[in-house]
Amino acid sequence: AQSVAQPEDQVNVAEGNPLTVKCTYSVSGNPYLFWYVQYPNRGLQFLLKYITGDNLVKGSYGFEAEFNKSQTSFHLKKPSALVSDSALYFCAVRDMRDYGQNFVFGPGTRLSVLP
Amino acid sequence: DAGVTQSPTHLIKTRGQQVTLRCSPKSGHDTVSWYQQALGQGPQFIFQYYEEEERQRGNFPDRFSGHQFPNYSSELNVNALLLGDSALYLCASSFPVGMNTEAFFGQGTRLTVV
Repeated sequence: AQSVAQPEDQVNVAEGNPLTVKCTYSVSGNPYLFWYVQYPNRGLQFLLKYITGDNLVKGSYGFEAEFNKSQTSFHLKKPSALVSDSALYFCAVRDMRDYGQNFVFGPGTRLSVLP
Repeated sequence: DAGVTQSPTHLIKTRGQQVTLRCSPKSGHDTVSWYQQALGQGPQFIFQYYEEEERQRGNFPDRFSGHQFPNYSSELNVNALLLGDSALYLCASSFPVGMNTEAFFGQGTRLTVV
């Protein structure tokens, strides 16, 4: 069975500092990995994905993530945080062998960027 | 181009009642999935519809049912509502099977069962 862990419920960072939101996953086969962001009273917005190829993927709003197969991790990063980045972040995984292609989401990490 | 649209945005129901939530997918998408997001948790997969049939189902009871129409829009029905069904219900649409693309989510329907 697929699973996703986000070990930190909350991450606090000062504006202008780099940020990291951690994610580890478990799948039987090769993973498709995704990051989504959720602002208050909104649905989920796609940030980036890893399917295959380069382990460092770049996404929307200056975010990037690094796929590490040996550590089964897919941490989200940004070199310089903005107050507007404050939101709830979800890591999700999909097994390449999953015909139905549904996502398994982590519990979420709340990012607070302090001015 | 409109993204994924859901209606209504908010809903209050009484225990034991039935509810229907609606979703229109993003243009060009033919696959619709429904997720339940309880407060403080990540979204949980309910089921997925493709070609008007339920293709995959998560760990939800039969009280949760759905439908997909020929125009790819979808409904989620929940019977005999329980207090624990209170949650944000998210609809997601995506391209056809086999394409490694992300899903696009609607803004959700906030269901409160009292």
